[in-house]
Amino acid sequence: QVQLVQSGAEVKKPGASVKVSCKASGYSFTSSAMHWVRQAPGQGLEWMGWITAGSGDTKYSQRFQGRVTISADTSANTVYMEMSSLKSADTAVYYCAAVVVTDPSLIYDYFYMDVWGKGTTVIVSS
Amino acid sequence: QSVLTQPPSVSGAPGQTVTISCSGNSSNTGAGYYVNWYQQFPGTAPKVLIYRNHNRPSGVPDRFSGSKSGTSASLAITGLQTDDEADYYCQSYDNSLGGSGVFGGGTKVSVL
Repeated sequence: QVQLVQSGAEVKKPGASVKVSCKASGYSFTSSAMHWVRQAPGQGLEWMGWITAGSGDTKYSQRFQGRVTISADTSANTVYMEMSSLKSADTAVYYCAAVVVTDPSLIYDYFYMDVWGKGTTVIVSS
Repeated sequence: QSVLTQPPSVSGAPGQTVTISCSGNSSNTGAGYYVNWYQQFPGTAPKVLIYRNHNRPSGVPDRFSGSKSGTSASLAITGLQTDDEADYYCQSYDNSLGGSGVFGGGTKVSVL
């Protein structure tokens, strides 16, 4: 079945970087896109960015531009989200969420999150 | 402050219908981009409930329905059940500032 398995919880100090992985299975990875969404404690969902796995094209929220890098390893069916210069405000659960794209010419018709990973908790604390 | 506006909470008795609104602007919902809805229970990942304005993934009961008109969208839950107590988020694409995904602030549904 379609499944996204995320890497384990992380504890980081302010200023450090974190890299979270999301391994996909059960669907055509190269015909998909992957979003990253985060949720701070007690808060709502926040979209961070996405990657179309086959082309490697990315788009980021302006809030994270320059601080977040999303990449894909098609040989491992895995997407990565790396965030640098961590602050305490980055403490959150980070989710990956995939959607299969059957017509890349209508890419924004696929701008939703069909299958979600269970989330990775990142705690930033000195 | 979220780009899409939702009421913080709605409530209803079992069996009733509740509706959650989601209001955007000319850069997102008003530009023709689809609205999607997600359901989230405490401590768990969100789940897609409605995609492309009104489509239900397999397994989602037909008690959940979505609609969109102009800059606004809504999610209706008919025959409200205690299991429907959760947070609900709308989401769309916004073409301003380079383009990005946008969420509503979320609506807590309580079953009285």
